[in-house]
Amino acid sequence: ELKVEQNPLFLSMQEGKNYTIYCNYSTTSDRLYWYRQDPGKSLESLFVLLSNGAVKQEGRLMASLDTKARLSTLHITAAVHDLSATYFCAVDGDYGGSQGNLIFGKGTKLSVKP
Amino acid sequence: NAGVTQTPKFRVLKTGQSMTLLCAQDMNHEYMYWYRQDPGMGLRLIHYSVGEGTTAKGEVPDGYNVSRLKKQNFLLGLESAAPSQTSVYFCASTLRRTRLTYEQYFGPGTRLTVT
Repeated sequence: ELKVEQNPLFLSMQEGKNYTIYCNYSTTSDRLYWYRQDPGKSLESLFVLLSNGAVKQEGRLMASLDTKARLSTLHITAAVHDLSATYFCAVDGDYGGSQGNLIFGKGTKLSVKP
Repeated sequence: NAGVTQTPKFRVLKTGQSMTLLCAQDMNHEYMYWYRQDPGMGLRLIHYSVGEGTTAKGEVPDGYNVSRLKKQNFLLGLESAAPSQTSVYFCASTLRRTRLTYEQYFGPGTRLTVT
């Protein structure tokens, strides 16, 4: 069974601190996606990582992918309140033979406090 | 472009009632999906479609039906709503498979309550 596991599921941070969210998955996928969801809102694409060793950065967020370890990380640098949201990672599923489905982790709810 | 739109945004049903959720996209995407999101469960795939006139079951299809009569529209139907179907429903779409990515674009969601 294909699994995507995120940890932690809840994260309370102080502003200015650094932290990392981990995403482990059980497939041989070489693509991984990170999404952000604000309360009551839809999912917004943050990063698409397309190969082993891929690293992408946007502002205070940096995502990386290690396909050999089946691990992606989302690193938060000097957190600010605006980063408070739920973050999901996802990998390509395999329904019906790679039909473009994504399998999502359960999400990490991040709360950044002053 | 409006992207992916969903109607309605909110709905309250009584057990046994039926309804249809509409998803529309104006990006000429081949693939479309319906997910449900429940607290602590992430997103789970209900049904999906890889092109006009085709549909397939996802992870949690029971109690739902879908249709894709036009490329831009993907309908999700509940024939006899149950309280277990109380959830937030998201529609998503993506381009036909390229060499690179299945990055999905999501609609704003429909919050459904079944009493």
